[in-house]
Amino acid sequence: DGGITQSPKYLFRKEGQNVTLSCEQNLNHDAMYWYRQDPGQGLRLIYYSQIVNDFQKGDIAEGYSVSREKKESFPLTVTSAQKNPTAFYLCASSRREGLYTQYFGPGTRLTVL
Amino acid sequence: EDKVVQSPLSLVVHEGDTVTLNCSYEVTNFRSLLWYKQEKKAPTFLFMLTSSGIEKKSGRLSSILDKKELFSILNITATQTGDSAVYLCAVDDNQGGKLIFGQGTELSVKP
Repeated sequence: DGGITQSPKYLFRKEGQNVTLSCEQNLNHDAMYWYRQDPGQGLRLIYYSQIVNDFQKGDIAEGYSVSREKKESFPLTVTSAQKNPTAFYLCASSRREGLYTQYFGPGTRLTVL
Repeated sequence: EDKVVQSPLSLVVHEGDTVTLNCSYEVTNFRSLLWYKQEKKAPTFLFMLTSSGIEKKSGRLSSILDKKELFSILNITATQTGDSAVYLCAVDDNQGGKLIFGQGTELSVKP
């Protein structure tokens, strides 16, 4: 089945620890995105990547880092520098040419204790 | 600053009612407007709108865009409890695939 997978579904970490969220897609999409969702708010863009080995900061990139070594994978690291990391994290992917729709993974709920 | 605003933020209706959700936007370089439905987890795609006045329809859901007045509406007729969700509006402002999302409208349909 084609789609986007994120793991883990739930993640608990102690304050001060870095944590990496996984995102994999088999849709053959060039572009991938990371969003953060807080209660009562829409999605805010953290980082995005249009091609392998290239990525750009979104609106709230501080305290996060990404890599794009393979087309299928776009992991997000939440570093200890992120002041309020507890949130719901969504990964998405899309084509890069023409009018395109972003498709979302099931999300990872991160709780920092 | 580019922005997307949805209203109302929350709505409670009874089964069988018809609802209208609103989305207004201010973006520099509009390319398309998208509606998503989010039930606890991943947002699922509903519609993409690019041209004014052309209604997109899927079953009981329909949506239309007004590029002159910079807004879109999402209509749901004969609502069912399964329509309960957060409905997200997003605009592609033609800057490398980035979407600007509204706050979402939380719809609750009571039996």
